Amino acid sequence: DGGITQSPKYLFRKEGQNVTLSCEQNLNHDAMYWYRQDPGQGLRLIYYSQIVNDFQKGDIAEGYSVSREKKESFPLTVTSAQKNPTAFYLCASRDRVNGETQYFGPGTRLLVL
Amino acid sequence: AQKITQTQPGMFVQEKEAVTLDCTYDTSDQSYGLFWYKQPSSGEMIFLIYQGSYDEQNATEGRYSLNFQKARKSANLVISASQLGDSAMYFCAMREGDTGRRALTFGSGTRLQVQP
Repeated sequence: DGGITQSPKYLFRKEGQNVTLSCEQNLNHDAMYWYRQDPGQGLRLIYYSQIVNDFQKGDIAEGYSVSREKKESFPLTVTSAQKNPTAFYLCASRDRVNGETQYFGPGTRLLVL
Repeated sequence: AQKITQTQPGMFVQEKEAVTLDCTYDTSDQSYGLFWYKQPSSGEMIFLIYQGSYDEQNATEGRYSLNFQKARKSANLVISASQLGDSAMYFCAMREGDTGRRALTFGSGTRLQVQP
């Protein structure tokens, strides 16, 4: 059963702490994306990766970092430099065909203590 | 820069009736894709329907159809025979065409409530 998983579902961050959000896909997609959603708004692009060992900043990359060591995995680290990290984080992977549709994971809700 | 506009923050529809959710877009790309996603209260973004900029026919997927009017730059979602389970946020999105990143630009969404 192919899909995208994200963990944890909820994450609490203390001030000055780095936290890592997990994203795994078994759809065999090359491209993966991280988006941020704030209440009442659409999604904004944080980082993306077109292929293993390559990734690029999106529109709101400050305070975030990523890695792409395996095709299946694209973890996102929220660093202490991100001053307003409270948001809903969604990971997606992109199909090569079918209109290059992006499929999303269930999301991680990050809260600051 | 690309932009998606959804002018209806909220919509109500009676069960079994049809509803149209509006979406207009702005882009200078010649090739692009338009998508609709459903986001229930659980938060997951569920893909509903896709329309390519060169597709001449309007896309349909079951009870969902996309009314694509290229000259007017609109891509409205039509849901026929609404069901209670259709209550959710709905987002229109456009895939960048001519840049390498192929990311999605989203509108601010429309909250649909289906009433029994």
